[in-house]
Amino acid sequence: NAGVTQTPKFQVLKTGQSMTLQCAQDMNHEYMSWYRQDPGMGLRLIHYSVGAGITDQGEVPNGYNVSRSTTEDFPLRLLSAAPSQTSVYFCASSLMTGLEGGYTFGSGTRLTVV
Amino acid sequence: QQQVKQSPQSLIVQKGGISIINCAYENTAFDYFPWYQQFPGKGPALLIAIRPDVSEKKEGRFTISFNKSAKQFSLHIMDSQPGDSATYFCAARSASGSRLTFGEGTQLTVNP
Repeated sequence: NAGVTQTPKFQVLKTGQSMTLQCAQDMNHEYMSWYRQDPGMGLRLIHYSVGAGITDQGEVPNGYNVSRSTTEDFPLRLLSAAPSQTSVYFCASSLMTGLEGGYTFGSGTRLTVV
Repeated sequence: QQQVKQSPQSLIVQKGGISIINCAYENTAFDYFPWYQQFPGKGPALLIAIRPDVSEKKEGRFTISFNKSAKQFSLHIMDSQPGDSATYFCAARSASGSRLTFGEGTQLTVNP
C-alpha cells in the first residue's frame, strides 16, 4: 500500500515548456485534488475530482489542466509554464464527503520555472 | 478571498511550553475542521480534527478548542518538544463536498 505517489520530486522548466505532474493512489479514494504551496499563502486548490471522468476547478486553476480517466490517476498538466508557477505541488486524495480521516497527501513536486 | 485565516505566521516556544495557533473562518457551511502537520520536504499529514458540535477534542498533547459562535478554533500543543517543530495548517471542509480550504500556515520552532 503506497498511498499517494507523486512524480517527479523535482523539476526545472523553461518558460513556455509543458509538462505533466503525475499522481497515483492505491487506496480506492474517489476524491483527488491538486494544491500548490507558496510561502505565506498556505495550500491553494488548483483542481479536484470527485470520481473518474469528473473534474472541477479550484481557487487557482488558470494555466493548469487535469483529467481523471481512472480512479487511481490524476495528472496535472502545465501547458505553457510561467515563472509564476514556480511552487511546490501536492496531490491529495480522500474518501468522499461524510467520512472522517482527512486527506492523504503525496510528498510533493518542487517545480522551478526559469 | 481567504476563507480561513490563521495566526501567527511563525511561533517560537521553549521546550515544555504551550504552543497555541489560532484560526478563524467565515463560511458557516463548514462542517469539519482538521489540523495538518508538515515537516520539511514532506506532504502535510492529518494531526487532529473536530466537528462543530464539539467544543474541545484532545489527543495526547494536542487539543483543539472550537468556538462556533465566534467562528474560531485553535490548536494547543502541551509540553511542546523539539520534534514538534514543523509547519501547522488549519483547514475547513464544506458540508456540501470534500473540498478543504487551508489557512496560511504557522511555522513552529520549539527550542531545546
